[in-house]
Amino acid sequence: SYELTQPPSVSVSPGQTASITCSGDKLGDKYVCWYQQKPGQSPVLVIYQDTKRPSGIPERFSGSNSGNTVTLTISGTQAMDEADYYCQAWDSNSVVFGGGTKLTVL
Amino acid sequence: QITLKESGPTLVKPTQTLTLTCTFSGFSLTTTGVGVGWIRQPPGKALEWLALIYWDDDKRYSPSLKSRLTITKDTSKNQVVLTMTDMDPVDTATYYCAHRTSALVVGFDYWGQGTLVTVSS
Repeated sequence: SYELTQPPSVSVSPGQTASITCSGDKLGDKYVCWYQQKPGQSPVLVIYQDTKRPSGIPERFSGSNSGNTVTLTISGTQAMDEADYYCQAWDSNSVVFGGGTKLTVL
Repeated sequence: QITLKESGPTLVKPTQTLTLTCTFSGFSLTTTGVGVGWIRQPPGKALEWLALIYWDDDKRYSPSLKSRLTITKDTSKNQVVLTMTDMDPVDTATYYCAHRTSALVVGFDYWGQGTLVTVSS
């Protein structure tokens, strides 16, 4: 089965840029989205179609897709961005989630 | 305004069948491109996709759980129902339903609050 691999954790200082990666076989040929999930809350879609932001998502969230790796970038990271982040793609008509990355802002 | 809400038992016994209902508003499951999916999350673990049903009754299932899952829709009630057979303690998780449209290409843009299901004798 298809797998998406994320680093378990990423740390960033406030105001700096955080980059969270998601890798998978031929991932560059697929569209990817990203979710943010804070403790005790439901996931929130922050990026879809690799680079698009849903309405209401701050401009500091951006996405890119190149080769076998997609990247979620948070510019000027704020304390409120501390959360778990999940990538998601389609493969063979199945939804696949990455294992999640805990972003710590310290 | 799109909202979804999951309902069902909070506790089930091993080997029992779980039935969860997703009641939604703000959209119709008869609209072209619209789908409702189920995703679960064991405590402290990652999201896991279970099933998805589209406006045209096209259904998709997680390959690893396909034999245990059934997803159906009742458009008159604005509900989607998921059944999972032969429940096991490892199925203990928060179960979410979520909305998607083909315009997103990938992803779910609205999620329910989730319902915690515990499997224990």
